[in-house]
Amino acid sequence: EPEVTQTPSHQVTQMGQEVILRCVPISNHLYFYWYRQILGQKVEFLVSFYNNEISEKSEIFDDQFSVERPDGSNFTLKIRSTKLEDSAMYFCARGVGASNQPQHFGDGTRLSIL
Amino acid sequence: GENVEQHPSTLSVQEGDSAVIKCTYSDSASNYFPWYKQELGKGPQLIIDIRSNVGEKKDQRIAVTLNKTAKHFSLHITETQPEDSAVYFCAARLTGGGADGLTFGKGTHLIIQP
Repeated sequence: EPEVTQTPSHQVTQMGQEVILRCVPISNHLYFYWYRQILGQKVEFLVSFYNNEISEKSEIFDDQFSVERPDGSNFTLKIRSTKLEDSAMYFCARGVGASNQPQHFGDGTRLSIL
Repeated sequence: GENVEQHPSTLSVQEGDSAVIKCTYSDSASNYFPWYKQELGKGPQLIIDIRSNVGEKKDQRIAVTLNKTAKHFSLHITETQPEDSAVYFCAARLTGGGADGLTFGKGTHLIIQP
């Protein structure tokens, strides 16, 4: 049973369109993360979010990406103008805080850009 | 930044035999090393982790060893079973705030032959 629920499980979008991926933590945690996994490749860190602010982001997380927690519960990743190379699995994870503590992943959203 | 190398990319073992997957990391400031199991269509599931203040940790058939001097860590699975078949990822995390992302290896596809 994943500790975060992600919706939708599969999203198909036309290139250039905006897409919003959602993550709902089961318990009330402060640390959230987004990761990306292109088919057949390793999981890559995108961004971390703490106390309603971005804490760290990778070079992948450019200006077309944004994250927010609009209602204090759902945690969203928005891609403003999708490109073909954005096609991937996107995973949300939650953590408890300290750098030596685990991160627990959801089952992901498969994003397909046409 | 951190770089994690993982070997082998594919590992096939007979049911009942042991499997060993090895990872190296580049940044000596990393202090947390989790291992994830990913089954088809699912998110990474944490199976075991180790912190930099210990050299070995065991949980039933799974064990992890860490050599901080050499900057490598390994996953050991004994008495392998068909349900162990999956992709396994090692990861490393830098010392610091709780918002740091994980750096993953490229994964090992473990195949358990009946």
